[in-house]
Order: sequence, then C-alpha cells, then structure tokens
Amino acid sequence: DTAVSQTPKYLVTQMGNDKSIKCEQNLGHDTMYWYKQDSKKFLKIMFSYNNKELIINETVPNRFSPKSPDKAHLNLHINSLELGDSAVYFCASRYGQWQETQYFGPGTRLLVL
Amino acid sequence: GQQVMQIPQYQHVQEGEDFTTYCNSSTTLSNIQWYKQRPGGHPVFLIQLVKSGEVKKQKRLTFQFGEAKKNSSLHITATQTTDVGTYFCAGRLSSGSARQLTFGSGTQLTVLP
Repeated sequence: DTAVSQTPKYLVTQMGNDKSIKCEQNLGHDTMYWYKQDSKKFLKIMFSYNNKELIINETVPNRFSPKSPDKAHLNLHINSLELGDSAVYFCASRYGQWQETQYFGPGTRLLVL
Repeated sequence: GQQVMQIPQYQHVQEGEDFTTYCNSSTTLSNIQWYKQRPGGHPVFLIQLVKSGEVKKQKRLTFQFGEAKKNSSLHITATQTTDVGTYFCAGRLSSGSARQLTFGSGTQLTVLP
C-alpha cells in the first residue's frame, strides 16, 4: 500500500495555465510538506502544514497556494504557470512536529512549455 | 539564513572504490538525517544522528556526526552499482524554530561497472 501518494505523476502544460497537484498520506501523520526539486537536484521546502494549519511558508510566489482539507491531504494549486516552475514537486509527511523521519511521495514532474 | 552545504556535488567512482560525501552547516544542528534518492525516484530516509561524535553503520555505509554538531559525513565502502543515486543530508537547527529540516545540496553518485 502506498504511504504517500501524489497525482498526477507527470504534468505538461502551457505557460499561463492554472494547475493543481494532490497529495495524500495514509500513515496517520500530522505534518505534511511540499518541496520543489530543481534540475540540479536541490530540494527546497515550500510549505508545511501541521493538522491543517500552515506552519511554514517559505519565500514562494503567491501564485502557489497550498490547501489542506484534512490532515491526510495537502494539495498545491499553481496559478499563471511560468517556465521557471518546471521542476519535480515532492510531497512529504511525518508524525507530529517532533518526530524526525520524513516520508516522501513519488513526485510530480511538472513541465511548463 | 541557515545553510547546509554538501560536497562534492558530483562523484564518479569505479565499482569497488570507496565514496564519501560531506555535509557542513553554518549553525549547530540538533540532529542530522541522511536520505538517498535513486534516479527517477524520491528521497528515502536512511538514518538519523543525534549525539555529538556519533557514528552509525549500515552494512557498507558509515555515518558520522561531528563533535561540534555542525558537520557530518557518509562513507560507502566498496561501492556497488546499486549505490547509484543522490545522497542528501538534512539538518535541524538546535535553536529557534525546530519545525523544518534544511536539506543539503546533495551529492550525485555515479558508479561505473
């Protein structure tokens, strides 16, 4: 059974479009994250939610809006996509705020043309 | 801001050679984690180090946490083609908000058969 799942796995879209990526975890974890990984493999945290509450919001354009309908789901909506948004987006989760291990989803490969 | 640097960025080794990646933080860390990301895959947790000077082993992998808790290393003995991937360290600040891990820039390991 998949612990952290993301949809879609691949996303190819035109500049200016709006798109959403969904993440679900069945681990019972309280904290979820979105990371962006660029072509050089650098992993940068974007957002973190704990029990549906936003606790980390790094310097990310406001075209990116996370939404957590419940603690098992964290979605990412991106408005007005730009070429520089092309990357792999990983969702991750961990138990509570103080448990350490993060479990990553398989990633969503976004290509903006 | 706090940074976690990793060197080297890329490493090519012949199968059977040893490999080491180094991680350095500008500030003291409460703990450090290591993750492995296979090509096309997602980061997977390997280990966590908490104590100053701690050394842990997993088969051919040896992990160290520096005495000052500002650096760490991962050493692989007698690399195999299955070791190919990107290795990330991730540190948690020992002061201030402990809510996020800061990932290193990663070391991409290629093992030539």
